[in-house]
Amino acid sequence: ETGVTQTPRHLVMGMTNKKSLKCEQHLGHNAMYWYKQSAKKPLELMFVYSLEERVENNSVPSRFSPECPNSSHLFLHLHTLQPEDSALYLCASSQDGSNEKLFFGSGTQLSVL
Amino acid sequence: AQKVTQAQTEISVVEKEDVTLDCVYETRDTTYYLFWYKQPPSGELVFLIRRNSFDEQNEISGRYSWNFQKSTSSFNFTITASQVVDSAVYFCALSEALDSSYKLIFGSGTRLLVRP
Repeated sequence: ETGVTQTPRHLVMGMTNKKSLKCEQHLGHNAMYWYKQSAKKPLELMFVYSLEERVENNSVPSRFSPECPNSSHLFLHLHTLQPEDSALYLCASSQDGSNEKLFFGSGTQLSVL
Repeated sequence: AQKVTQAQTEISVVEKEDVTLDCVYETRDTTYYLFWYKQPPSGELVFLIRRNSFDEQNEISGRYSWNFQKSTSSFNFTITASQVVDSAVYFCALSEALDSSYKLIFGSGTRLLVRP
């Protein structure tokens, strides 16, 4: 148990659906991250939030829309996705966005049909 | 550009064997951090170690040890007397500074299978 909880664990959606991934951390951390892990690529950073402010958008398409309402919660809103967006989406948190270690959730395995 | 290379895609060993996972990195920064993470079948990445670029001392933690060689830009990870529970994907990572935070550049991972 890393203290970072992601829901749902699995998600299947059509290309026209809208869905959201949720992440919650119980560690009192101030920075939260979304990473994408696909079968054929290394882990890719998508977004970084520090103190609820987005500090990094790593050239992610607009069909992915993050939201950080408070320092404990992070969402990833999905709409009109493509089959190539199928991947494991991992949420992580850290104390303050510096070089300390990341704590990861178990991820949401997303399949886009 | 920052880059992390884990040339071994998959390694299979028999329990109790020692195994070394290789990691080679590229960076122009003089100050940087290196990490190893373990990803068991459950999916979450688990932090194993962080090493800063000024500390070249090797580290040992139980059956795990790390060999940082700045001269060859390598940060290799050895598991001694491997166990079935060590089966996982292992990622090496390098920190890269952003405007107001850092991000980790991950290698492609090495899948370790420890057979009974």
